[in-house]
Amino acid sequence: AQSVTQPDIHITVSEGASLELRCNYSYGATPYLFWYVQSPGQGLQLLLKYFSGDTLVQGIKGFEAEFKRSQSSFNLRKPSVHGSDAAEYFCAVVGYNNNDMRFGAGTRLTVKP
Amino acid sequence: GAVVSQHPSRVICKSGTSVKIECRSLDFQATTMFWYRQFPKQSLMLMATSNEGSKATYEQGVEKDKFLINHASLTLSTLTVTSAHPEDSSFYICSAAIGSLADTQYFGPGTRLTVL
Repeated sequence: AQSVTQPDIHITVSEGASLELRCNYSYGATPYLFWYVQSPGQGLQLLLKYFSGDTLVQGIKGFEAEFKRSQSSFNLRKPSVHGSDAAEYFCAVVGYNNNDMRFGAGTRLTVKP
Repeated sequence: GAVVSQHPSRVICKSGTSVKIECRSLDFQATTMFWYRQFPKQSLMLMATSNEGSKATYEQGVEKDKFLINHASLTLSTLTVTSAHPEDSSFYICSAAIGSLADTQYFGPGTRLTVL
C-alpha cells in the first residue's frame, strides 16, 4: 500500500543546533516529494520539492533535503535551527501519475532557547 | 508568495445544518483548488480536486453529496458541508494551484468546524 511515514511525532532541539526530520515513503515508483511547514494560524508553506535530478535539494529558510532511493527516504535538514523554526513539518508525496497526494502524520518541532 | 484566504476561520453549528466554507486565491488565478481535511494531531487527507467550471473529483471514500464543492471562478471555490454531524467536526484546508497536485500549492490558513 502507498504510504508516507514520519517516524518522529515530536522533536526538541536547542537553538543553534542542527536538525534532521525523517520521512520514508512506500510507492510503486519514485513519486514527487515535498516538505511543508505549518505554523499556527498560517497555511502550509512549501519548503522544497524533489522531482528528479540532483538528489540534494535546497529550499527556503535554509532547509535542504536529500532523496535516497535505496532507502526510500527524503529527510529534511537544517544546519542551525532558529526559534522561528518551531512549527509542524509535513512530508508529502504525489504519485508519478500526478495524482494521489499523501501527507505524513507530521513532526512537531520545538526549539529550546 | 501567493496568498490564499479561507472564510470563516472558525465556525460552530448545530447538527443537521449546512455550513459553507470559502477559499479564495487573492493575487493569482488558480486553475485548480484542492480541499483537505485534517484531524487533530493527524495528517492532511485530500478530499477532492476542483477545477473551475467543471465538476469536482472526489477521493475514494469521500461522499460527494455530503461535501459539495463549487468552483465558480478562477479565484473562488466553496465547500459546503451538508447536514453536518459531530463526526464532520474537523479542520478543513484548501489550496490553490496553477496546474495539478505536483505543482506548487498555496494553502489557506484553514477553517475549524465544530458541529454540536
